[in-house]
Amino acid sequence: NAGVTQTPKFRVLKTGQSMTLLCAQDMNHEYMYWYRQDPGMGLRLIHYSVGEGTTAKGEVPDGYNVSRLKKQNFLLGLESAAPSQTSVYFCASSYSWGGELFFGEGSRLTVL
Amino acid sequence: DQQVKQNSPSLSVQEGRISILNCDYTNSMFDYFLWYKKYPAEGPTFLISISSIKDKNEDGRFTVFLNKSAKHLSLHIVPSQPGDSAVYFCAASAGDDYKLSFGAGTTVTVRA
Repeated sequence: NAGVTQTPKFRVLKTGQSMTLLCAQDMNHEYMYWYRQDPGMGLRLIHYSVGEGTTAKGEVPDGYNVSRLKKQNFLLGLESAAPSQTSVYFCASSYSWGGELFFGEGSRLTVL
Repeated sequence: DQQVKQNSPSLSVQEGRISILNCDYTNSMFDYFLWYKKYPAEGPTFLISISSIKDKNEDGRFTVFLNKSAKHLSLHIVPSQPGDSAVYFCAASAGDDYKLSFGAGTTVTVRA
C-alpha cells in the first residue's frame, strides 16, 4: 500500500530556477492538497483540488502553480524559485471534502 | 494571522504519566477539530477528532476535550508511551469550508 507518494524527497535549487513536485495517490481519492510546513507556522495550504481537472487557491498560493490532469496525480510547480520558498512540502489526499487527510512523507526544498 | 495556536512548542513527560497538549483558536466559526501526529521524516497521520456538538471524545489512551466558550481544546494521552514521542498538530475547520487551519505543533518527548 503506497498511499501518497511524493517525488523528489529532497531538492536544492538556485534562485530563479524552476521545478515540479509530483504527488501520486493510489487510494482513488477525489481531493488532493499541497501544504508547506515552516518552523513556528504549522502547515499552510498552498493549493488544492476537488477532482480531476480542477484546482483552487489555498492560504499561500503566490509563487506556485498546480495541475491535476489525472485523478491520481497532483503537481506543484515553482516557476521561479525564491529563498522564501525554502520549506518542507506535504501533499495530502482525502476521500471526501472534510474527510481524514492522508499525507505523503514530505519533500524538503532548499532555495539558495 | 494564525487562527489556531499551540503555545507550547515542546513537552517532556515521563513514561506512564499523562501528557496534556493545549490548543487555542480565535475563529468562532470553527466547529470541527482534529489532532494529527507526525514522526520525523514521515507525513502527519490523523489521531483523533471532535465536533463542536461534543465536549469530549475518547479513543483508547487519547482523549480530546473541547471548551467552546474558552475557544480551547486539549489532548490527553494516558499513559504516555515512548512511541508517543512525536510532533502533534492541532487543526480546525469551519462549517462547509473544510479546509483545515493548523497550529504550529507541539513536540512531545516521552522519557523512559
